[in-house]
Amino acid sequence: GAGVSQSPSNKVTEKGKDVELRCDPISGHTALYWYRQSLGQGLEFLIYFQGNSAPDKSGLPSDRFSAERTGGSVSTLTIQRTQQEDSAVYLCASSSPPRGQVNYEQYFGPGTRLTVT
Amino acid sequence: RKEVEQDPGPFNVPEGATVAFNCTYSNSASQSFFWYRQDCRKEPKLLMSVYSSGNEDGRFTAQLNRASQYISLLIRDSKLSDSATYLCVVGRGGYQKVTFGTGTKLQVIP
Repeated sequence: GAGVSQSPSNKVTEKGKDVELRCDPISGHTALYWYRQSLGQGLEFLIYFQGNSAPDKSGLPSDRFSAERTGGSVSTLTIQRTQQEDSAVYLCASSSPPRGQVNYEQYFGPGTRLTVT
Repeated sequence: RKEVEQDPGPFNVPEGATVAFNCTYSNSASQSFFWYRQDCRKEPKLLMSVYSSGNEDGRFTAQLNRASQYISLLIRDSKLSDSATYLCVVGRGGYQKVTFGTGTKLQVIP
Protein backbone atom coordinates (compact mmCIF):
# COMPACT_ATOMS: atom_id res chain seq x y z
CA GLY A 1 0.00 0.00 0.00
CA ALA A 2 0.95 3.66 -0.05
CA GLY A 3 3.64 4.74 2.34
CA VAL A 4 4.20 8.07 4.05
CA SER A 5 4.53 10.88 1.55
CA GLN A 6 6.02 14.32 2.04
CA SER A 7 6.03 17.44 -0.07
CA PRO A 8 7.90 19.22 -1.38
CA SER A 9 10.94 16.96 -1.64
CA ASN A 10 13.20 19.99 -1.81
CA LYS A 11 12.62 23.57 -0.78
CA VAL A 12 14.97 26.51 -1.15
CA THR A 13 13.87 29.69 0.55
CA GLU A 14 15.30 33.02 1.48
CA LYS A 15 16.06 33.89 5.07
CA GLY A 16 13.05 35.50 6.70
CA LYS A 17 10.41 33.78 4.55
CA ASP A 18 7.82 31.36 5.89
CA VAL A 19 7.67 27.74 4.68
CA GLU A 20 5.09 24.97 4.95
CA LEU A 21 6.01 21.32 4.78
CA ARG A 22 3.38 18.66 4.27
CA CYS A 23 3.11 15.07 5.44
CA ASP A 24 0.55 12.44 4.37
CA PRO A 25 0.72 9.53 6.79
CA ILE A 26 -0.22 5.94 6.08
CA SER A 27 -3.98 5.52 6.18
CA GLY A 28 -5.19 4.42 9.60
CA HIS A 29 -2.03 5.51 11.42
CA THR A 30 -3.08 7.71 14.30
CA ALA A 31 0.45 8.54 15.45
CA LEU A 32 2.46 11.10 13.50
CA TYR A 33 5.95 12.43 14.27
CA TRP A 34 8.04 15.24 12.83
CA TYR A 35 11.82 15.11 13.10
CA ARG A 36 14.62 17.09 11.58
CA GLN A 37 18.10 15.92 10.73
CA SER A 38 21.04 18.12 9.95
CA LEU A 39 23.84 16.71 7.79
CA GLY A 40 25.75 14.02 9.64
CA GLN A 41 23.63 14.38 12.77
CA GLY A 42 21.04 12.22 14.50
CA LEU A 43 17.29 12.64 14.40
CA GLU A 44 15.97 15.59 16.38
CA PHE A 45 12.40 15.09 17.62
CA LEU A 46 10.12 18.06 16.94
CA ILE A 47 6.49 17.16 17.60
CA TYR A 48 4.25 14.12 18.11
CA PHE A 49 0.53 13.79 17.35
CA GLN A 50 -1.47 10.86 18.69
CA GLY A 51 -5.11 10.67 17.69
CA ASN A 52 -7.17 13.39 19.34
CA SER A 53 -4.74 13.86 22.24
CA ALA A 54 -2.94 17.16 22.72
CA PRO A 55 0.30 17.03 20.69
CA ASP A 56 3.65 16.68 22.40
CA LYS A 57 5.41 19.86 21.27
CA SER A 58 8.37 19.48 23.58
CA GLY A 59 10.88 19.24 20.72
CA LEU A 60 9.97 22.41 18.83
CA PRO A 61 13.13 24.55 18.94
CA SER A 62 11.43 27.94 18.97
CA ASP A 63 8.06 29.63 18.61
CA ARG A 64 8.81 30.08 14.90
CA PHE A 65 7.94 26.40 14.51
CA SER A 66 4.38 25.12 14.61
CA ALA A 67 2.50 22.11 13.31
CA GLU A 68 -1.05 21.05 12.89
CA ARG A 69 -2.81 17.91 11.92
CA THR A 70 -6.16 18.28 10.23
CA GLY A 71 -8.80 15.58 10.52
CA GLY A 72 -6.35 13.22 12.15
CA SER A 73 -4.56 12.68 8.85
CA VAL A 74 -2.46 15.21 6.91
CA SER A 75 -0.01 17.30 8.90
CA THR A 76 1.67 20.60 8.07
CA LEU A 77 4.85 21.86 9.70
CA THR A 78 5.24 25.63 9.41
CA ILE A 79 8.45 27.52 9.97
CA GLN A 80 8.07 31.27 10.17
CA ARG A 81 10.84 33.76 9.47
CA THR A 82 13.26 31.05 8.44
CA GLN A 83 16.89 31.24 9.53
CA GLN A 84 19.94 29.60 7.98
CA GLU A 85 20.21 27.22 10.94
CA ASP A 86 16.79 25.82 9.97
CA SER A 87 18.42 24.19 6.94
CA ALA A 88 18.02 20.43 7.39
CA VAL A 89 16.02 17.45 6.22
CA TYR A 90 12.58 17.37 7.82
CA LEU A 91 11.26 13.84 8.23
CA CYS A 92 7.75 12.73 9.00
CA ALA A 93 6.85 9.30 10.35
CA SER A 94 3.59 7.57 11.20
CA SER A 95 2.62 4.48 13.14
CA SER A 96 -0.38 2.53 14.32
CA PRO A 97 -1.86 3.61 17.66
CA PRO A 98 -0.12 2.12 20.70
CA ARG A 99 -1.74 -0.96 22.23
CA GLY A 100 -1.41 -0.76 25.97
CA GLN A 101 2.31 -0.62 26.75
CA VAL A 102 3.31 -1.51 23.21
CA ASN A 103 4.40 0.99 20.60
CA TYR A 104 4.35 -0.01 16.96
CA GLU A 105 7.09 0.67 14.48
CA GLN A 106 7.25 3.97 12.64
CA TYR A 107 7.33 4.34 8.90
CA PHE A 108 9.16 7.32 7.53
CA GLY A 109 8.53 9.50 4.54
CA PRO A 110 11.41 10.43 2.22
CA GLY A 111 11.79 13.83 3.86
CA THR A 112 11.85 17.44 2.73
CA ARG A 113 15.28 18.95 2.25
CA LEU A 114 15.06 22.59 3.32
CA THR A 115 17.76 25.05 2.37
CA VAL A 116 17.61 28.58 3.71
CA THR A 117 19.82 31.01 1.79
CA ARG B 1 21.62 10.96 31.41
CA LYS B 2 20.17 10.64 27.91
CA GLU B 3 17.06 8.53 27.54
CA VAL B 4 18.69 6.40 24.84
CA GLU B 5 22.45 6.17 24.26
CA GLN B 6 24.50 4.60 21.52
CA ASP B 7 28.20 4.52 20.72
CA PRO B 8 28.45 6.69 17.58
CA GLY B 9 31.32 4.65 16.14
CA PRO B 10 32.35 4.41 13.41
CA PHE B 11 32.83 0.68 13.54
CA ASN B 12 35.10 -0.31 10.65
CA VAL B 13 34.99 -4.06 10.07
CA PRO B 14 36.16 -6.34 7.25
CA GLU B 15 33.69 -8.24 5.10
CA GLY B 16 32.64 -11.47 6.75
CA ALA B 17 33.25 -10.22 10.28
CA THR B 18 30.76 -10.35 13.12
CA VAL B 19 29.95 -7.03 14.76
CA ALA B 20 27.73 -6.11 17.70
CA PHE B 21 26.24 -2.83 18.85
CA ASN B 22 24.66 -2.01 22.16
CA CYS B 23 22.12 0.63 23.05
CA THR B 24 21.33 1.59 26.63
CA TYR B 25 18.09 3.12 27.85
CA SER B 26 17.42 4.95 31.07
CA ASN B 27 13.73 4.34 31.75
CA SER B 28 13.00 0.94 33.23
CA ALA B 29 9.34 1.30 32.20
CA SER B 30 10.32 1.00 28.52
CA GLN B 31 8.46 -1.78 26.77
CA SER B 32 9.03 -1.47 23.02
CA PHE B 33 12.37 -1.71 21.28
CA PHE B 34 13.42 -1.51 17.66
CA TRP B 35 16.47 -1.32 15.45
CA TYR B 36 16.37 0.90 12.38
CA ARG B 37 18.87 1.30 9.59
CA GLN B 38 19.60 4.59 7.88
CA ASP B 39 21.60 4.83 4.69
CA CYS B 40 23.39 8.05 3.82
CA ARG B 41 20.92 10.79 2.83
CA LYS B 42 17.96 8.42 3.13
CA GLU B 43 15.16 8.04 5.64
CA PRO B 44 15.42 5.47 8.47
CA LYS B 45 13.88 2.08 7.77
CA LEU B 46 12.84 -0.58 10.24
CA LEU B 47 15.38 -3.37 10.50
CA MET B 48 13.73 -5.41 13.23
CA SER B 49 11.72 -5.25 16.40
CA VAL B 50 13.34 -6.55 19.57
CA TYR B 51 11.41 -9.11 21.58
CA SER B 52 11.93 -10.07 25.20
CA SER B 53 13.14 -13.55 24.28
CA GLY B 54 15.48 -12.25 21.59
CA ASN B 55 14.90 -12.70 17.89
CA GLU B 56 16.80 -13.44 14.74
CA ASP B 57 16.30 -12.47 11.12
CA GLY B 58 18.86 -14.06 8.84
CA ARG B 59 22.28 -12.67 9.75
CA PHE B 60 20.81 -10.27 12.30
CA THR B 61 20.12 -11.08 15.95
CA ALA B 62 18.54 -8.69 18.41
CA GLN B 63 18.50 -9.15 22.16
CA LEU B 64 17.05 -7.35 25.14
CA ASN B 65 18.62 -7.26 28.60
CA ARG B 66 16.08 -5.72 30.95
CA ALA B 67 18.21 -6.09 34.06
CA SER B 68 21.00 -3.98 32.59
CA GLN B 69 18.66 -1.90 30.42
CA TYR B 70 20.21 -2.38 27.04
CA ILE B 71 19.41 -3.87 23.67
CA SER B 72 21.92 -5.30 21.28
CA LEU B 73 22.21 -5.98 17.57
CA LEU B 74 24.54 -8.66 16.24
CA ILE B 75 25.41 -8.83 12.55
CA ARG B 76 27.11 -11.99 11.32
CA ASP B 77 29.02 -12.39 8.06
CA SER B 78 29.03 -8.64 7.37
CA LYS B 79 28.40 -7.52 3.80
CA LEU B 80 29.47 -4.30 2.13
CA SER B 81 25.77 -3.49 1.86
CA ASP B 82 25.45 -3.51 5.65
CA SER B 83 27.35 -0.21 5.76
CA ALA B 84 24.89 2.25 7.27
CA THR B 85 23.96 3.95 10.52
CA TYR B 86 22.01 1.77 12.95
CA LEU B 87 19.50 3.51 15.19
CA CYS B 88 17.92 2.04 18.29
CA VAL B 89 14.44 3.09 19.33
CA VAL B 90 12.80 2.75 22.73
CA GLY B 91 9.16 3.27 23.64
CA ARG B 92 7.20 3.31 26.87
CA GLY B 93 3.84 2.62 25.28
CA GLY B 94 0.70 4.44 26.18
CA TYR B 95 0.53 7.76 24.36
CA GLN B 96 4.13 8.78 24.98
CA LYS B 97 6.49 9.31 22.10
CA VAL B 98 9.21 6.84 21.28
CA THR B 99 12.84 7.95 21.46
CA PHE B 100 15.56 7.41 18.89
CA GLY B 101 19.22 7.02 19.71
CA THR B 102 21.69 9.08 17.71
CA GLY B 103 22.92 6.01 15.85
CA THR B 104 26.01 3.86 15.42
CA LYS B 105 27.83 4.08 12.11
CA LEU B 106 29.04 0.85 10.54
CA GLN B 107 31.49 0.71 7.65
CA VAL B 108 32.18 -2.71 6.16
CA ILE B 109 35.49 -2.75 4.34
CA PRO B 110 36.37 -5.03 1.40
